[in-house]
Amino acid sequence: EAQVTQNPRYLITVTGKKLTVTCSQNMNHEYMSWYRQDPGLGLRQIYYSMNVEVTDKGDVPEGYKVSRKEKRNFPLILESPSPNQTSLYFCASSSVRTASTNEKLFFGSGTQLSVL
Amino acid sequence: AQKVTQAQTEISVVEKEDVTLDCVYETRDTTYYLFWYKQPPSGELVFLIRRNSFDEQNEISGRYSWNFQKSTSSFNFTITASQVVDSAVYFCALSEDGYGQNFVFGPGTRLSVLP
Repeated sequence: EAQVTQNPRYLITVTGKKLTVTCSQNMNHEYMSWYRQDPGLGLRQIYYSMNVEVTDKGDVPEGYKVSRKEKRNFPLILESPSPNQTSLYFCASSSVRTASTNEKLFFGSGTQLSVL
Repeated sequence: AQKVTQAQTEISVVEKEDVTLDCVYETRDTTYYLFWYKQPPSGELVFLIRRNSFDEQNEISGRYSWNFQKSTSSFNFTITASQVVDSAVYFCALSEDGYGQNFVFGPGTRLSVLP
């Protein structure tokens, strides 16, 4: 089954304690990205990656890191989490080569992060 | 810069009523892609539709229909005979490349369908 898998589903942590949210896709997609969802703001892009070893900042990258060492994985790293990073996070992927067809952005199930 | 506006923050309707969710977008590109996603209370994002800018045909899928009007930069979503299961947050989104690099979401509209 084609899917984007995020882990964990829920995470509670404390300020300053490094954490990683994992994201993996099994569709051989080139493009992957991270979004955060906050009330009234919709989803905002944090980072994206066009392919292995190619990453770039989205609209709200401050306080986050990503890496793309393998095509299927795109982890989101918070080196020193702060309470303003409490949010619902989504990983997404899609194929670049089929952009002109009826391709869509596939989303993971989300990770609810609370930073105390 | 691209932007998506969903002016309706929350809508409440009674079951079986029709409801239209508004979406207005801004882009400088002549080729772009519009999407609607549904987020039920469980939290996941469910893809509903993708529309290319060069295809202005309206679309109907069961009780759902979409009205795309380039002249007013709108891509409105109508649910006919709403049901309780339609209760969710609905996001309109715009992409200038089709695959997600410049994918901008609106703030969402929370729809509550009351029995």
